Amino acid sequence: NAGVTQTPKFQVLKTGQSMTLQCAQDMNHEYMSWYRQDPGMGLRLIHYSVGAGITDQGEVPNGYNVSRSTTEDFPLRLLSAAPSQTSVYFCASSYSYTSKEQYFGPGTRLTVT
Amino acid sequence: AQSVTQLGSHVSVSEGALVLLRCNYSSSVPPYLFWYVQYPNQGLQLLLKYTTGATLVKGINGFEAEFKKSETSFHLTKPSAHMSDAAEYFCAVSDPETGNTPLVFGKGTRLSVIA
Repeated sequence: NAGVTQTPKFQVLKTGQSMTLQCAQDMNHEYMSWYRQDPGMGLRLIHYSVGAGITDQGEVPNGYNVSRSTTEDFPLRLLSAAPSQTSVYFCASSYSYTSKEQYFGPGTRLTVT
Repeated sequence: AQSVTQLGSHVSVSEGALVLLRCNYSSSVPPYLFWYVQYPNQGLQLLLKYTTGATLVKGINGFEAEFKKSETSFHLTKPSAHMSDAAEYFCAVSDPETGNTPLVFGKGTRLSVIA
């Protein structure tokens, strides 16, 4: 198993540009989530999904969209990038939303200028 | 709502010394508790978890943590620090009775190990 994969690893955007961060898992996990990590802030939940076709907002959803058309994929879309979205983004998955034990991808480092 | 407080954003220990990373939580019900480790430029990796049963939980790389309900704590310890333990450590809590509630993470503690 590849586990949780994320692409790209690094990205630089200009303010106002849009892009999609890709996340995929091959463990047949129901639950997937996106976090952002900023210095001194820990991990903050952006959006999560408890299964294909079901998504919900986390703590910091503004400026981000998600969809879950398949069990394997959970892309995160930045609609109009802002410097405040400069961060490291992590995707995670778990077998079910009740198991809670999450497996993390390697992260995407995004810089918005 | 649950919350997690990690005391000390940075802890420094000498190689061979005891490692103690503190985590306190607030939860209205007995929670599930987790410790994750993040090595530089990597994702988070599960160290150990407490769900039910024995309150002393052993994890990977010689780490362990004890769930103390009376103190609402879940401190992480390792008897003898190794240089390879230098990393950032995150405590996380979840409510097992609320299915859709995701993990809530603390702000992390960076561990430095001095030779």
